[in-house]
Amino acid sequence: AQSVAQPEDQVNVAEGNPLTVKCTYSVSGNPYLFWYVQYPNRGLQFLLKYITGDNLVKGSYGFEAEFNKSQTSFHLKKPSALVSDSALYFCAVREQGSGGYNKLIFGAGTRLAVHP
Amino acid sequence: DVKVTQSSRYLVKRTGEKVFLECVQDMDHENMFWYRQDPGLGLRLIYFSYDVKMKEKGDIPEGYSVSREKKERFSLILESASTNQTSMYLCASSPPTPGNNEQFFGPGTRLTVL
Repeated sequence: AQSVAQPEDQVNVAEGNPLTVKCTYSVSGNPYLFWYVQYPNRGLQFLLKYITGDNLVKGSYGFEAEFNKSQTSFHLKKPSALVSDSALYFCAVREQGSGGYNKLIFGAGTRLAVHP
Repeated sequence: DVKVTQSSRYLVKRTGEKVFLECVQDMDHENMFWYRQDPGLGLRLIYFSYDVKMKEKGDIPEGYSVSREKKERFSLILESASTNQTSMYLCASSPPTPGNNEQFFGPGTRLTVL
């Protein structure tokens, strides 16, 4: 079955330190992977995506993600965390076989808390 | 920029009421989606639509229906609201693949059923 796992419910990091939010996936074939961020009482905002090419993908707000095919992972990273990065982060993978429908499978989400 | 709007940010309804949640997108996207978001469960797909008057069930369609009479508008209907439908509802749209693959989300409607 196709799935996305975010193994940590919450990640705590001090401001200025690097952060990592973990994501692993299970799909057949080549995955299309996404990260979204949700600020309180808001919808999801797109951060970045991996479709093909360079394994290190750069996105909005200084975030980047590393695709690792052998470990089936797509971890979100930032070199220096800001308090304003505190939010709920979702990893997603495009459902294989969904054709032109572009259906996404989402992880359960990881809450990032950045402390001053 | 793509804009997806939802008719209400907050909604309070009573058990048994019929509830309509409206979503409008302005980018001429073929695909539109309705999700519910619950803590610890992430986003779960209720229904999606890939064209006017076309719809497909998602993972949790029970208790819901949808309507897509115009390309830009996708409505979620709770035929008889129940307390277990208290949740955050998110609408999204996307073009068909290939092309941009991400979905674009509205701000969400937080529905409380009493």
